[in-house]
Formats: sequence, structure tokens, C-alpha cells
Amino acid sequence: DSGVTQTPKHLITATGQRVTLRCSPRSGDLSVYWYQQSLDQGLQFLIQYYNGEERAKGNILERFSAQQFPDLHSELNLSSLELGDSALYFCASSAGTSGRGDTQYFGPGTRLTVL
Amino acid sequence: DAKTTQPPSMDCAEGRAANLPCNHSTISGNEYVYWYRQIHSQGPQYIIHGLKNNETNEMASLIITEDRKSSTLILPHATLRDTAVYYCIAGRGKLIFGQGTELSVKP
Repeated sequence: DSGVTQTPKHLITATGQRVTLRCSPRSGDLSVYWYQQSLDQGLQFLIQYYNGEERAKGNILERFSAQQFPDLHSELNLSSLELGDSALYFCASSAGTSGRGDTQYFGPGTRLTVL
Repeated sequence: DAKTTQPPSMDCAEGRAANLPCNHSTISGNEYVYWYRQIHSQGPQYIIHGLKNNETNEMASLIITEDRKSSTLILPHATLRDTAVYYCIAGRGKLIFGQGTELSVKP
């Protein structure tokens, strides 16, 4: 158990819909990262937040957005869903310090299926 | 972030050491080498990381060459539960995953 929690575990929805994925980081961690894993693209970095502020952006579509709240939990919002958005979505958290490398610990993921 | 190259698959006999190589010839001076593994569709599990020196923890050892252009992850006594995809990542901050090495531990 990494200490990172994600809800829901599974989500099935229809094309065109909007969903919200939630992540609670490990206690004390300030950074939250979101990753997408699809069969054809592998594990891809989407976005990072540090203490409420966006820190880095990867291959995140404009239809997707994220935020980190004052209690440090994060939400990933996916809108106008397409079949190709079906994937595993992982959240990871880290302390956010640069010394000794900033190890990320991953949650169990949310499996999104778009029908 | 530096690109990494790993063999797509490896086999290892149960109880033997598994040595997983990784090439990261374009790594820059402040980038770490991280190893993660993923079992089925579970969340990637952190194994070990290092900057220049060799590292050891309860799961594995990491050997980094002096020029830092390659590294080897060593699982000293592989078990069937070590069957997974192993990812070597060279970077700092966000993790850029490659295809990894699919390690099969066989009885």
C-alpha cells in the first residue's frame, strides 16, 4: 500500500460525458502527478501540481483539466469524453523536495471505460 | 529527460539473481535513475533510485556505471511474485516511462 488513494476504482460512462477522478496524496506530500496508461500509448505524464499550483504539464488534452485543493487532494476532470480516452489513470504523490531525488508513489489507479 | 533503452523481455529462474540492464547515455548531471515495476495493471511500484553511487535497499540493488550512461537493477533472489514490467527512468520531477522490460520469473 503506497498511501496514495484514488476514487473511484472503475468508471464506465458514455461518449460526450464528463467525469471527475479524485486523488488523495500520502500524508505530508505536497506534489501530485497524474498519468494516463492506455494500451497503445503506454504510461504518459499528464500534469503535476505542487502545493496547489501547476508545476509541469505533459501530454494533457485541452478537454482535460486538473486542480489541487488546499487540503492537497487533487481532481482530474475529463470532459467531452471520446472512446480513445478509455485508459487507466494513475495519480502519484511525492514530498516535492529536490534533494535526494523526489520519489513518486503511485495510487492503484482509476479504470475509465468510455462506451 | 534522458531517453532510456531496455530489453523488451527477460527470463529468470526462481531463486536466481535477475539483472536488468538500462541504457541512458544522454542523462544529464542532475538527473536521477529511477526503477519502478508494474504488476498487471496495478499502480507502478517504486523500487530504488540513485544519482551517482550504487544503492541498495530491501528490494533490490542499483549499480550505476561511473560515466552514468547505463545502470543495472539487481533482484538478488527472484521469486515468482517478481514477474512484472520493470521501468528504468532517467529524469527529475515528472517521470517519462518507456516500454520497460517484461521480466518473467520461472519455476
